[in-house]
Amino acid sequence: GAVVSQHPSWVICKSGTSVKIECRSLDFQATTMFWYRQFPKQSLMLMATSNEGSKATYEQGVEKDKFLINHASLTLSTLTVTSAHPEDSSFYICSARGAESDFGPGTRLTVT
Amino acid sequence: GQNIDQPTEMTATEGAIVQINCTYQTSGFNGLFWYQQHAGEAPTFLSYNVLDGLEEKGRFSSFLSRSKGYSYLLLKELQMKDSASYLCAVRDLGGGATNKLIFGTGTLLAVQP
Repeated sequence: GAVVSQHPSWVICKSGTSVKIECRSLDFQATTMFWYRQFPKQSLMLMATSNEGSKATYEQGVEKDKFLINHASLTLSTLTVTSAHPEDSSFYICSARGAESDFGPGTRLTVT
Repeated sequence: GQNIDQPTEMTATEGAIVQINCTYQTSGFNGLFWYQQHAGEAPTFLSYNVLDGLEEKGRFSSFLSRSKGYSYLLLKELQMKDSASYLCAVRDLGGGATNKLIFGTGTLLAVQP
């Protein structure tokens, strides 16, 4: 069965609002989780590495103040898209535990 | 820089064999992965190569040549349900990062009757 879950699976929000996406490891502890973004017809792009108990590591070009990551426990990482805009509409996917085989089901964000 | 290349699109016939190539240039290398992704869904793991050679798993096989920076995914006895995007990804440990996966552009495979 699935070992990584995400919530919500889809969300629609208005421009300027913030949205929180959760990524949970279901039957293991994950000191590291990864957040990816995928635009239509494009591949996955790593946004940041979430580290339990410390600051996330962001990839070049990803605004850390806009995409807030919190990894407060060994089973939960959250990604908050602050002041969302239509260009943030995308498919957000997390993975865990080195996690090559353990992707979450993804969250479809639509900003209107 | 880091670069992972795949053909953008491929078309094949049901029952046939198709080979999807992937070439890579990364600062570090600790394994290459292939994923299948259907539209609107997250990727699902297909195969993993860290040593040179061929890994076979049912209808799917993956090959790696580290000296050439090259891999391919071979799909046999194609079925209509194999129509999907196929993503090549390299685990790169360059620059002190741990277990970062760098994805290729993906290959959209269309299987025709």
